[in-house]
Amino acid sequence: GAGVSQSPRYKVAKRGQDVALRCDPISGHVSLFWYQQALGQGPEFLTYFQNEAQLDKSGLPSDRFFAERPEGSVSTLKIQRTQQEDSAVYLCASSPKRDSGQETQYFGPGTRLLVL
Amino acid sequence: EDKVVQSPLSLVVHEGDTVTLNCSYEVTNFRSLLWYKQEKKAPTFLFMLTSSGIEKKSGRLSSILDKKELFSILNITATQTGDSAVYLCAVARVQKLVFGQGTRLTINP
Repeated sequence: GAGVSQSPRYKVAKRGQDVALRCDPISGHVSLFWYQQALGQGPEFLTYFQNEAQLDKSGLPSDRFFAERPEGSVSTLKIQRTQQEDSAVYLCASSPKRDSGQETQYFGPGTRLLVL
Repeated sequence: EDKVVQSPLSLVVHEGDTVTLNCSYEVTNFRSLLWYKQEKKAPTFLFMLTSSGIEKKSGRLSSILDKKELFSILNITATQTGDSAVYLCAVARVQKLVFGQGTRLTINP
């Protein structure tokens, strides 16, 4: 079956540009997560959705980062006025149920963002 | 502050060797510990551990959790070149995973 898909796979942006990263979770999955992975580091939590509700956005590094999931399926992570420190791989993950900490998260391939 | 520490950060062995990867953690509201394998694409799920002392096994891979000493190990026996990857340990709190830095494992033929 189809896994989590993300697009684009690669994005090069000039400093100051806005970017939008898309995540298509596994069909029917309730929970959706975004993580940021810097080079040589483990992923770091950005935000969590349960259906269309954004229940935790404590990991978003600044107000330039915004995420939405308006219909409870596809999600978009938007970064405004990109900075060089935003360069990273952005990973999306989904899990079938409301997250309890004991649900496996399934990851997409990530979007590699390079800000010049 | 929540912390997950993996060791070693990098490991190079020969095909056929056995390796042990370590993960220690200090995380509030622990729910489970997960291991993922990351090649140049999506992290793929290996194991979820919730109870101490119960080994989980899948082929040549096995893992165990010690909730008293706050650590987990991932063992790979009879390593193959296809095992080369970054292995990520993550601790689940409700609504998020806290990851370690990863161990980069290289298997030479």
